[in-house]
Amino acid sequence: AQSVSQHNHHVILSEAASLELGCNYSYGGTVNLFWYVQYPGQHLQLLLKYFSGDPLVKGIKGFEAEFIKSKFSFNLRKPSVQWSDTAEYFCAVTVNYGGSQGNLIFGKGTKLSVKP
Amino acid sequence: DSGVTQTPKHLITATGQRVTLRCSPRSGDLSVYWYQQSLDQGLQFLIQYYNGEERAKGNILERFSAQQFPDLHSELNLSSLELGDSALYFCASSPHQEFGYTFGSGTRLTVV
Repeated sequence: AQSVSQHNHHVILSEAASLELGCNYSYGGTVNLFWYVQYPGQHLQLLLKYFSGDPLVKGIKGFEAEFIKSKFSFNLRKPSVQWSDTAEYFCAVTVNYGGSQGNLIFGKGTKLSVKP
Repeated sequence: DSGVTQTPKHLITATGQRVTLRCSPRSGDLSVYWYQQSLDQGLQFLIQYYNGEERAKGNILERFSAQQFPDLHSELNLSSLELGDSALYFCASSPHQEFGYTFGSGTRLTVV
């Protein structure tokens, strides 16, 4: 079965620090990859997604992620975090079955706390 | 507002009871997905409906059931509730053959 691993449970950074959150998935076929953010008390919002093409994907709020197929990874990065980035971040994957997608499988999430 | 509407936002009920959670998908989206988010299990896929028909099942208990109506709204029915069913229940929708889901704000269920 497909699975998604997020390496860090809780990350604490100071404002202006750089961020990298790790994500690995287990599936050898074609996948679609996503990062969602959940601010405290709110619903999941899509940060960015990768379907095909350029493996470096830019999302909202200055986030980007790089798909490295050989490493089954899709790490999320931001050069300089802000206090407002405090949230929980979820990596997710769907398997691409010839044009239709399977269900969204989530990692356990990484809590990011940014100190002002 | 994501366009996916879930009601109620909060629900407190006693063990053994039955509740119904409602989801209205984003306009034009035919697929509805239900997820359970709890502290210990994370986000778990429960079930998917596409245009009124069950499409896929995940870790959904037999005490839980769902359906999607002709107007595409969906209901998740949880019965014989246990304390461990306390969680956030999210609904998401997506268009046919398009990737990426839009999530609703969730229903927080507390079983006491």
